[in-house]
Amino acid sequence: GENVEQHPSTLSVQEGDSAVIKCTYSDSASNYFPWYKQELGKRPQLIIDIRSNVGEKKDQRIAVTLNKTAKHFSLHITETQPEDSAVYFCAPTGNQFYFGTGTSLTVIP
Amino acid sequence: KAGVTQTPRYLIKTRGQQVTLSCSPISGHRSVSWYQQTPGQGLQFLFEYFSETQRNKGNFPGRFSGRQFSNSRSEMNVSTLELGDSALYLCASSLEVAGALNTGELFFGEGSRLTVL
Repeated sequence: GENVEQHPSTLSVQEGDSAVIKCTYSDSASNYFPWYKQELGKRPQLIIDIRSNVGEKKDQRIAVTLNKTAKHFSLHITETQPEDSAVYFCAPTGNQFYFGTGTSLTVIP
Repeated sequence: KAGVTQTPRYLIKTRGQQVTLSCSPISGHRSVSWYQQTPGQGLQFLFEYFSETQRNKGNFPGRFSGRQFSNSRSEMNVSTLELGDSALYLCASSLEVAGALNTGELFFGEGSRLTVL
């Protein structure tokens, strides 16, 4: 089965700084690479995704980069704001839905 | 369009009992997957159903089972409950099954919080 590792498990940044979360996976069949954000007490929601034929995708302050050769993809958040504080999950998808163990991001005002 | 609906939202059971949770996907979504979420354990995949067939199963004991109906609604059942089964159970729906070329976003319900005493 898929082995998904997500780092770091916790991350604290000052407001305005950047945050980077990395996800490594093992399944070569993975072809869809989303990131989900889960605020406290709420359901996970997709914030950005990328497919295997693309190396980078950006949406305002959020970007995802994919290195299929090395089997990792990363979430980049620039100009962080307090409302970015949440748990973030990577979910490399091949023949099954897999989730990383999550990264708790705290943005300090 | 209505979102993913899970019922019940909260329930309390005692050890040895069984429980059935229900999930109604977004209209038109044929894939329903289930997850167990506990503090510090992230989202543990339970199983995925597509067109009434179980397509994938996670590493959970046989006490955890599920099914999907012709209208794509899904239920999961946990028999002989243990204290460690206390968790938030989330279901998610998507248009296509995992592994399809156009596999896409998972839409989550608010979850069913199970407490086993």
